[in-house]
Amino acid sequence: AQSVTQPDIHITVSEGASLELRCNYSYGATPYLFWYVQSPGQGLQLLLKYFSGDTLVQGIKGFEAEFKRSQSSFNLRKPSVHWSDAAEYFCAVYRGNKLVFGAGTILRVKS
Amino acid sequence: DAGVIQSPRHEVTEMGQEVTLRCKPISGHDYLFWYRQTMMRGLELLIYFNNNVPIDDSGMPEDRFSAKMPNASFSTLKIQPSEPRDSAVYFCASSFPTYNEQFFGPGTRLTVL
Repeated sequence: AQSVTQPDIHITVSEGASLELRCNYSYGATPYLFWYVQSPGQGLQLLLKYFSGDTLVQGIKGFEAEFKRSQSSFNLRKPSVHWSDAAEYFCAVYRGNKLVFGAGTILRVKS
Repeated sequence: DAGVIQSPRHEVTEMGQEVTLRCKPISGHDYLFWYRQTMMRGLELLIYFNNNVPIDDSGMPEDRFSAKMPNASFSTLKIQPSEPRDSAVYFCASSFPTYNEQFFGPGTRLTVL
């Protein structure tokens, strides 16, 4: 079945450390890819998106993501995490006029 | 722009009551989406509209759920009668066009007792 997989339910990193959140999709063609962030009690906010072109995409809040066709992955990275980055992160794929979301990864930041 | 507006932000009701959730999309956006978020099932797309017309309601869980979009600036999601398993956070989102960024509202947290 076509799906979006975020293998890590929870991740804990120290403030200032680097971060990588994993996302894999199981669609054949190159889909449109998104990363959203949800802070507690809030709606989802777009961090970045990939449609085509350069496979390294820059987003807001210092985040970037790299599309790797060979691995069907679109991992989110940040070189130095801040306490305010603690939130839930969702990878999504656009298919058939819809966004298909992964299950989300909860990021905890320890000081 | 004020972004996507949802009301109420919180709703507590008793089983069997009718619940109406409201959404005002961003002006100029022609797609509107209703999602439900629960711990067990994550984010689920319930229904989406294009130019006020329902396009895909395959995610609506059952006939107790209905959604309307009488004009470009207003949509409702109604649950009648409500059940405890409907307790969730309901999000509205809008976009232009559909494959572009979806802007989410703050959500309505529904609790059915």
